[in-house]
Amino acid sequence: DAKTTQPTSMDCAEGRAANLPCNHSTISGNEYVYWYRQIHSQGPQYIIHGLKNNETNEMASLIITEDRKSSTLILPHATLRDTAVYYCIVRVRDTDKLIFGTGTRLQVFP
Amino acid sequence: DAGVTQSPTHLIKTRGQQVTLRCSPKSGHDTVSWYQQALGQGPQFIFQYYEEEERQRGNFPDRFSGHQFPNYSSELNVNALLLGDSALYLCASARVTTDTQYFGPGTRLTVL
Repeated sequence: DAKTTQPTSMDCAEGRAANLPCNHSTISGNEYVYWYRQIHSQGPQYIIHGLKNNETNEMASLIITEDRKSSTLILPHATLRDTAVYYCIVRVRDTDKLIFGTGTRLQVFP
Repeated sequence: DAGVTQSPTHLIKTRGQQVTLRCSPKSGHDTVSWYQQALGQGPQFIFQYYEEEERQRGNFPDRFSGHQFPNYSSELNVNALLLGDSALYLCASARVTTDTQYFGPGTRLTVL
């Protein structure tokens, strides 16, 4: 069973920031939060991951709350190519098994 | 630097047949994991290979088996195909166990 809860879908205007929330209230102390996205029928693309500190890379920023029970993925300037299903995943401790939920379908519109 | 590659891209089989899917990991990676993604669902973990051995397995029957070769490439075999095995099969590789996994483009299997 997925350990995360995400909204089913979201819309965002092109050029605006897309903020995708994720709840992971049962996360354990040494479990990471990973974000992947999947553009239609392609393989999932790694975006970013974090443990407890906020993280930023060339694709996105990850904001994790202090209690680690939720996080937000931020795409600072969404483009039409960011339209995809975004998966928030808590990596199971000491395993490589990624447990995907159904994700958030982000639609970026012109 | 080539990423994860998978072959074939698409495959059509009939019920009861057997199929073999192939995966070449990203350069420098030595672990391979396989996932099944049914239409409209998130990927589900099948199993992981490291050092040519199956290290972890998800909730899949024994009809699903695999192999990892000395060059770290991997095969997924499915026997006695069922209609419900129709899915996108994804391979992911990582540099070492517990490292970030990178996915290939997948193989679309259709069972008629």
